[in-house]
Amino acid sequence: SQTIHQWPATLVQPVGSPLSLECTVEGTSNPNLYWYRQAAGRGLQLLFYSVGIGQISSEVPQNLSASRPQDRQFILSSKKLLLSDSGFYLCAWALGSGSSYEQYFGPGTRLTVT
Amino acid sequence: GQQVMQIPQYQHVQEGEDFTTYCNSSTTLSNIQWYKQRPGGHPVFLIQLVKSGEVKKQKRLTFQFGEAKKNSSLHITATQTTDVGTYFCAPLNFNKFYFGSGTKLNVKP
Repeated sequence: SQTIHQWPATLVQPVGSPLSLECTVEGTSNPNLYWYRQAAGRGLQLLFYSVGIGQISSEVPQNLSASRPQDRQFILSSKKLLLSDSGFYLCAWALGSGSSYEQYFGPGTRLTVT
Repeated sequence: GQQVMQIPQYQHVQEGEDFTTYCNSSTTLSNIQWYKQRPGGHPVFLIQLVKSGEVKKQKRLTFQFGEAKKNSSLHITATQTTDVGTYFCAPLNFNKFYFGSGTKLNVKP
């Protein structure tokens, strides 16, 4: 069965510090991968999505970047964190074809920028 | 991205009462999915609707996709405290999902 891992679970970082969040998927090949951010009490904002190694689509211009160095690894990074980067970061994977498509989320990372 | 409006934003019900959340779009949707997020947790996939007028049931949950494929609803019959959480609709557009703002359900025992 498929499993998605995210770490760390929680993170407190000072403003201006770098960030690296990692997501890995097991039990599937060539998934589409997604990074979302959720502010407290709000909906999910799509940040990045990837259909393959090295292929990244950015949805929202911001202080963050993403990379996919391996098929089942997706990394979210920042060179200098802002206070507004605080939130719940969720990685997700999906497989499907045509209009049939299901998405599964990792446990998330709660980031607090101080 | 494809914008959807979800209403209501919050709903407080007594255990045993029914609950409905609505998801509305100004454009035709090819596919809409529903997710549930428990407090402190991550979203969990519930159902996917693809066909015009489609109705799917999961125990006490009934999901509908409108005839024009511009709206969808989730109805819970006889709510239980385990139904507490936020329910999101998420239309699919070219392999990308654009989540609604969600309806937060609170169930009083």
